Amino acid sequence: DSGVTQTPKHLITATGQRVTLRCSPRSGDLSVYWYQQSLDQGLQFLIQYYNGEERAKGNILERFSAQQFPDLHSELNLSSLELGDSALYFCASSVTSGSGVGDTGELFFGEGSRLTVL
Amino acid sequence: LAKTTQPISMDSYEGQEVNITCSHNNIATNDYITWYQQFPSQGPRFIIQGYKTKVTNEVASLFIPADRKSSTLSLPRVSLSDTAVYYCLVGDTYTSGTYKYIFGTGTRLKVLA
Repeated sequence: DSGVTQTPKHLITATGQRVTLRCSPRSGDLSVYWYQQSLDQGLQFLIQYYNGEERAKGNILERFSAQQFPDLHSELNLSSLELGDSALYFCASSVTSGSGVGDTGELFFGEGSRLTVL
Repeated sequence: LAKTTQPISMDSYEGQEVNITCSHNNIATNDYITWYQQFPSQGPRFIIQGYKTKVTNEVASLFIPADRKSSTLSLPRVSLSDTAVYYCLVGDTYTSGTYKYIFGTGTRLKVLA
């Protein structure tokens, strides 16, 4: 158990719909990262938040958005869903900010939310 | 831009030592090298991390040459349960100076009986 909690574990929805994925980081971790993993694909970095602020943005579509709340949990919002959005969405957390200096890069991943768009 | 290159797949037999090499020619001074293991439908799990020379823990060893342009993950005496995808990861700096953590395609290790 990594200490990172993601809900829901599974989600089935239709094209055009909107869903929200939730992540609770490990206790004490200030950074939250979101990754997308399509079938048999690598992990695509989407976005990172640190202590409530967006820290880094990767290949995140404009239809997707995220935020980190004062209690440090994070939500990933996916809208106007397409078939190609079907994937495992992972959240990870870390203690460090990602500033680079002294950042060892150890990420703790949740078990993921599997999204199926029909 | 830091980028890693690993073999796409490897096969091994139970009880053998497996070495997976990762190339990271543009590694930055501040970057650590981290390896993760991922089983199907699970999140990646940290295996080992190093900055230079050799690091060993109860699971694996990590060898990093002086120029740090590559690293080798060594798994001693693998078992069937070591079948997984292994990712090599180094930091990558945005122009803003913040880091993002880029996972490459990973190496799919299959351990055979």
